Amino acid sequence: DQQVKQNSPSLSVQEGRISILNCDYTNSMFDYFLWYKKYPAEGPTFLISISSIKDKNEDGRFTVFLNKSAKHLSLHIVPSQPGDSAVYFCAAEAVGSNFGNEKLTFGTGTRLTIIP
Amino acid sequence: EAGVAQSPRYKIIEKRQSVAFWCNPISGHATLYWYQQILGQGPKLLIQFQNNGVVDDSQLPKDRFSAERLKGVDSTLKIQPAKLEDSAVYLCASSSRPGTGGNEQFFGPGTRLTVL
Repeated sequence: DQQVKQNSPSLSVQEGRISILNCDYTNSMFDYFLWYKKYPAEGPTFLISISSIKDKNEDGRFTVFLNKSAKHLSLHIVPSQPGDSAVYFCAAEAVGSNFGNEKLTFGTGTRLTIIP
Repeated sequence: EAGVAQSPRYKIIEKRQSVAFWCNPISGHATLYWYQQILGQGPKLLIQFQNNGVVDDSQLPKDRFSAERLKGVDSTLKIQPAKLEDSAVYLCASSSRPGTGGNEQFFGPGTRLTVL
């Protein structure tokens, strides 16, 4: 049962344009959502997160939008740069009553390629 | 600040052999995670430690996988005997603030295991 889904395995965007990566989830108990970025032969690195009580969080060129009613979130990168080429993972966490047991459930990832 | 260290980086073994992976988390991080990432999928949590106690091992195949975290610092993950389907990247991660939600996990570079 895939609770976190990233339906686009790959995405190509021109340098300078906006990149939009999408993620859907099924578990309504998730209360935090995180995006991780992964370069080849490296571990994932944290990018940005959002609490389920918010609908937007912004950090520099990166903005995450959350639509709880649709169980959908998206990551916007503006403007896209060549160094943004990587695999992006959406992850969700159910803190709630699981204090101290914040298990991340990851999506399958989207490979973003920025075309110079 | 040194990152999460893992060794070896690559390992090739025959099926039915045993293998062990080592992880040294970021200094002071009480929570340590082991993930399995199969090609084309997102990381899947195998086991989570809080100090040297197990918080969650619900997805650890306990008939063949074992993990320990002695003295609440370094950790080892062992597979015995290995199967073909164990071929994956094994990622170790650590974090410092459990219970806060949206808590960043810091990942090591991973160990790529190939079982022939």
